[in-house]
Amino acid sequence: EVQLVESGGGLVQPGRSLRLSCAASGFTFDDYAMHWVRQAPGKGLEWVSGISWNSGSIGYADSVKGRFTISRDNAKNSLYLQMNSLRAEDTALFYCVKDTSAYMRIGGFDIWGQGTMVTVSS
Amino acid sequence: DIQMTQSPSSLSASVGDRVTITCRASQGIRNDLGWYQQKPGKAPKRLMYATSSLQSGVPSRFSGSGSGTEFTLTISSLQPEDFATYYCLQHNSYPLTFGGGTKVEIK
Repeated sequence: EVQLVESGGGLVQPGRSLRLSCAASGFTFDDYAMHWVRQAPGKGLEWVSGISWNSGSIGYADSVKGRFTISRDNAKNSLYLQMNSLRAEDTALFYCVKDTSAYMRIGGFDIWGQGTMVTVSS
Repeated sequence: DIQMTQSPSSLSASVGDRVTITCRASQGIRNDLGWYQQKPGKAPKRLMYATSSLQSGVPSRFSGSGSGTEFTLTISSLQPEDFATYYCLQHNSYPLTFGGGTKVEIK
């Protein structure tokens, strides 16, 4: 069964850092690009960042550029999101999402995790 | 950035109704568009890809059409399990962008 399991969310103060992880199983992880998508409470979906199969191509939303860093470890079937200088507006459910292609901007998303909640508050 | 304008933002419909949701892109995205369904408390689920291709396992009452800048998702006969929020996603250019969502409610 294809599965994505996020972890690392929690309550954090503004300006602090947090690292999210996503454990993938049930598919050949290094065949696909991966993404992070977030959803603020009661709001719509926002693409945060994406990374190609070999980490050769990476993209970020303008709202997180310079503060968030996406990475992956294909040997561990894992995706990460390092989030620095967190703001109240970063409060959201963060989803780990599998692409349908090795490269982004080709096929879109097919598999979503259940999400991990990040709350930024003092 | 490509803006995806989705309409309507909400609609009320009855079981059996035909429902159409539209996404308009601020510039051409070829057919690099997908549709996703989200139910409360759940992760989104893909319905359509490449504008008009039906995801495996999705009922055939769902269909997609369009190209360039105008895209539609149609539910031919609304079923009770279809009441949810629907989003379009363009993956043609960075940053990838979603439409604002359409909440389909029971009339």
